[in-house]
Amino acid sequence: SQTIHQWPATLVQPVGSPLSLECTVEGTSNPNLYWYRQAAGRGLQLLFYSVGIGQISSEVPQNLSASRPQDRQFILSSKKLLLSDSGFYLCAWTPLQETQYFGPGTRLLVL
Amino acid sequence: QKEVEQNSGPLSVPEGAIASLNCTYSDRVSQSFFWYRQYSGKSPELIMSIYSNGDKEDGRFTAQLNKASQYVSLLIRDSQPSDSATYLCAVMKNNNDMRFGAGTRLTVKP
Repeated sequence: SQTIHQWPATLVQPVGSPLSLECTVEGTSNPNLYWYRQAAGRGLQLLFYSVGIGQISSEVPQNLSASRPQDRQFILSSKKLLLSDSGFYLCAWTPLQETQYFGPGTRLLVL
Repeated sequence: QKEVEQNSGPLSVPEGAIASLNCTYSDRVSQSFFWYRQYSGKSPELIMSIYSNGDKEDGRFTAQLNKASQYVSLLIRDSQPSDSATYLCAVMKNNNDMRFGAGTRLTVKP
């Protein structure tokens, strides 16, 4: 069966510091991968998606970036965090033509 | 107009009652529809999917889809306190484009 991991689970970072969140999927190959952000009390905002190694599509221009260095690894980064980057970051994967399954998420607080 | 709209709630129902959650979407080319349940502090988990008009039942859950009205709903029968969560409606236009509603918060009171 497939499993999706995210780490860290929680993170408290100062404004202006860098960020690296990691997502890995087990038990499948060449999945479509997604990064979402969920601000407190709000819906899911799609940030990036990837259909393969090195292929990244950005949905929202901002100070975040994403990379996919390996087939089942998806990384979300920032060089300088803003207060508005606080939120719940969710990685998701999808089997072809099916729905999306979410990882456990990373709760980020920028102070 | 938001692409996927849900009543934010909170929706409060007594234990054992039927909870009815509604969702409308704006893009007629949408093909696939999903309901996720999200407990506080947790990630969303898929509970129902529906692809064609009509009803789909799975245990205490029934999803209803009306593409002509661009409307999808979720009924929860015999609601339990453990059903208290936020329910997200999601609409997929293609394999890479899933849009989520902001969610409806459901509280089931014992």
